[in-house]
Formats: sequence, C-alpha cells, structure tokens
Amino acid sequence: NAGVTQTPKFQVLKTGQSMTLQCAQDMNHEYMSWYRQDPGMGLRLIHYSVGAGITDQGEVPNGYNVSRSTTEDFPLRLLSAAPSQTSVYFCASSYLGSDEQFFGPGTRLTVL
Amino acid sequence: AQSVTQLGSHVSVSEGALVLLRCNYSSSVPPYLFWYVQYPNQGLQLLLKYTSAATLVKGINGFEAEFKKSETSFHLTKPSAHMSDAAEYFCAVSDQGSSASKIIFGSGTRLSIRP
Repeated sequence: NAGVTQTPKFQVLKTGQSMTLQCAQDMNHEYMSWYRQDPGMGLRLIHYSVGAGITDQGEVPNGYNVSRSTTEDFPLRLLSAAPSQTSVYFCASSYLGSDEQFFGPGTRLTVL
Repeated sequence: AQSVTQLGSHVSVSEGALVLLRCNYSSSVPPYLFWYVQYPNQGLQLLLKYTSAATLVKGINGFEAEFKKSETSFHLTKPSAHMSDAAEYFCAVSDQGSSASKIIFGSGTRLSIRP
C-alpha cells in the first residue's frame, strides 16, 4: 500500500493563479481531509469528505474548493491564489468513525 | 469548545536526558487525546492516544503520556532522549466517539536533541 500520496511536493505560484493539489489514498478510507500548517498555529482543517460525492467545510475553507468524485481521490483547488495561502498543506484519511488519521507527506506552497 | 495548549514551542534536551512535552486541554465532555509526531519533511504520524481505557498510555519509540483529569493535562514523556527523537510533536483533542473532522490540534512543540 502506498498510503496517502500528495502531489506536487513543492509549488510556487503568483498571486491570482489557480492550481490543484492532488491527494490519493489506497486504503479504501471513507473519510478524507485537507489541513494547512502554519508556524505557531498547528494544523487547521480546510475541508473534509465522508465519502464520494459528500464534502463539507472545516475551520478555514475560504479560498479553497474540493470535490470527491471517487473514494480514492480528494483534490484541493485554489481558484485565485493569495499570499495568505502560503503554507504547507496536508491531506489525511481514515475509516469513518475512526479518530486515527493517516497523513500524506505534504505540499509546500508559496504564493508570491 | 475544545482546545489544546502546548507549553513551549521549542524544547531542547541532551541525548539520554528525560523528554517532557507539556499539553493541557479544555473540553466540556470526556475527551480523546492524541500525540502526533512529525519528522522533517514528512506528514504527521500517530504516536499514542488516550481513549479512556487506561490513564497511562504507551506509544511507539518509548514514549508515553499520562491523562490527568484533575490537571486537564496529557504530558508526553520519554525517559531517555535519542537523536532520532528530534521532530515536531503535536497534541490533539476530540470528543469521545466523534469523527476525525472534530480533532483539534495544538500549535506544536519542536524537540531538539543535543549530542
């Protein structure tokens, strides 16, 4: 099992550009989520999904869109990047009802 | 609302010394408590979790944590630090029986090990 994979590892964007961060898991987990990690602030939940076709907002959803067309994939879209979105982004997955999440290696995003 | 406070954003200890990372929580209902570890350039990995079965919880790599309800604490300890323990450690809390979406993370403590 590859676990949770994320691409790309690093990305630099200009303000206003759009991009999609990819996340995939091969553990057949129903629950998937996106976090951002900023210095001194821990991890904050952006969006999450409890199954294909179902998504919901977390603590900091503004500026981000998600979709869940399959169990395996949960992409995160930035429609118009802003410098405030410079961060490290983590995708995580778990079985529904489980509190133990499995994290991907992260994507380091810089918005100039 | 739930929250966790990690005391000390950076802790430095000598190799072989005791590691103590502090975490205090706030919760209006019985909590589940977690410690996660993040090695450089990697994602988070579950170190241990408290789910009310036993107040002293043992995790991987020789770490353990004790749930103290009277002190609302869940401090992480290891008797003897190793160079490979250098990482960032996150305490987290959730309601008992809730889903992963309700987990609240602390701000993290970076552990450095001096030779």
